[in-house]
Amino acid sequence: EAGVAQSPRYKIIEKRQSVAFWCNPISGHATLYWYQQILGQGPKLLIQFQNNGVVDDSQLPKDRFSAERLKGVDSTLKIQPAKLEDSAVYLCASSLNRALSGNTIYFGEGSWLTVV
Amino acid sequence: DAKTTQPNSMESNEEEPVHLPCNHSTISGTDYIHWYRQLPSQGPEYVIHGLTSNVNNRMASLAIAEDRKSSTLILHRATLRDAAVYYCILRDGRSGNTGKLIFGQGTTLQVKP
Repeated sequence: EAGVAQSPRYKIIEKRQSVAFWCNPISGHATLYWYQQILGQGPKLLIQFQNNGVVDDSQLPKDRFSAERLKGVDSTLKIQPAKLEDSAVYLCASSLNRALSGNTIYFGEGSWLTVV
Repeated sequence: DAKTTQPNSMESNEEEPVHLPCNHSTISGTDYIHWYRQLPSQGPEYVIHGLTSNVNNRMASLAIAEDRKSSTLILHRATLRDAAVYYCILRDGRSGNTGKLIFGQGTTLQVKP
């Protein structure tokens, strides 16, 4: 079974530039998550989709971050303009169905962002 | 959201058992106890989960206290590959809940050869 695919793996940009990360979840997974992990900390949920609808985006800095999952499959997370504090690993994850607490959540390897 | 408390770090010798503790004194009746681990430079991966009874799988065992206010993840024979950050997470099992995972700082496990 193919895992959660993310790209690019690494990105370095200057502050005030924009960047986009792409995620392809495991086939058939209705729920998709984007997490931000700053070095030395646990991952923090940014946004959660159920199919193509947003379930939770309470922690997403909406003035600069946006995410979409138009066809209920792939998703894109965008940052514009980037700040130095956005340097982090952006993790995409997916699960079959959010409603079942026993459903395993599968994570991708992450996209590493450095803002200089 | 109910919180968990874990030691920042632990050490173990290779091929010895490891017991990773987690306190969750404010756990509710609908919270499942999940464990994930994160190897260096990788995303987190599922280890095990349980509600009330002890659980075993090919990776580990989960021992849950009778009052559910604490739990212990048991790695029966630690290998160098088990060196990772281990996260103990309470996941709300109520119908209609988002099912999201809220990560804390976790326990960094070092395994010595």
